[in-house]
Amino acid sequence: AQSVAQPEDQVNVAEGNPLTVKCTYSVSGNPYLFWYVQYPNRGLQFLLKYITGDNLVKGSYGFEAEFNKSQTSFHLKKPSALVSDSALYFCAVRDPDFSGNTPLVFGKGTRLSVIA
Amino acid sequence: DTGVSQNPRHKITKRGQNVTFRCDPISEHNRLYWYRQTLGQGPEFLTYFQNEAQLEKSRLLSDRFSAERPKGSFSTLEIQRTEQGDSAMYLCASSLEPGSSYNEQFFGPGTRLTVL
Repeated sequence: AQSVAQPEDQVNVAEGNPLTVKCTYSVSGNPYLFWYVQYPNRGLQFLLKYITGDNLVKGSYGFEAEFNKSQTSFHLKKPSALVSDSALYFCAVRDPDFSGNTPLVFGKGTRLSVIA
Repeated sequence: DTGVSQNPRHKITKRGQNVTFRCDPISEHNRLYWYRQTLGQGPEFLTYFQNEAQLEKSRLLSDRFSAERPKGSFSTLEIQRTEQGDSAMYLCASSLEPGSSYNEQFFGPGTRLTVL
């Protein structure tokens, strides 16, 4: 069965510093990986995805993520954090090699706080 | 606004009552998903539709839950005989799937259910 782990419940970073939100996954085949962000009282917003190709994926709002197959990781990164990046971040995986249509499986989320 | 909409945004009900939520997906999207999110957790898949056909249901979807998408457009999720454990945020998402499974899902703002 596919699964996602976000080992940190909370990440604190100073504004202007680089940020990393960690994600590891487990699937039987080659994964489709996604990052979503959730602001208070709003739905999840798509940030970026990895399907195939370059391991470094660039997404919305200056975010990027690096797919590492050997470490089964897909960490979210941003070179310079903004206070407005403070939100709840979810990593999700989908296993396209599994027979049938598999839904997205989400991690528990990581709350990012960017301090001015 | 051409995003995913959900109504109502909040619902408070007494245990044992029935509730129904509505989701209007992005108009050209053929897939519609329902998720449930409890505090401190990521969204958990409940069910999804390809046009009007309900193709998969999670084990989380007990017999008290029923979902429909009668004309392949909007969807309703009904919970009968609500229990306090049903209190959660119910999220709807939609996507356009041309045969692969890598397109991102677009989420609505959710319906927050509180069962007293």
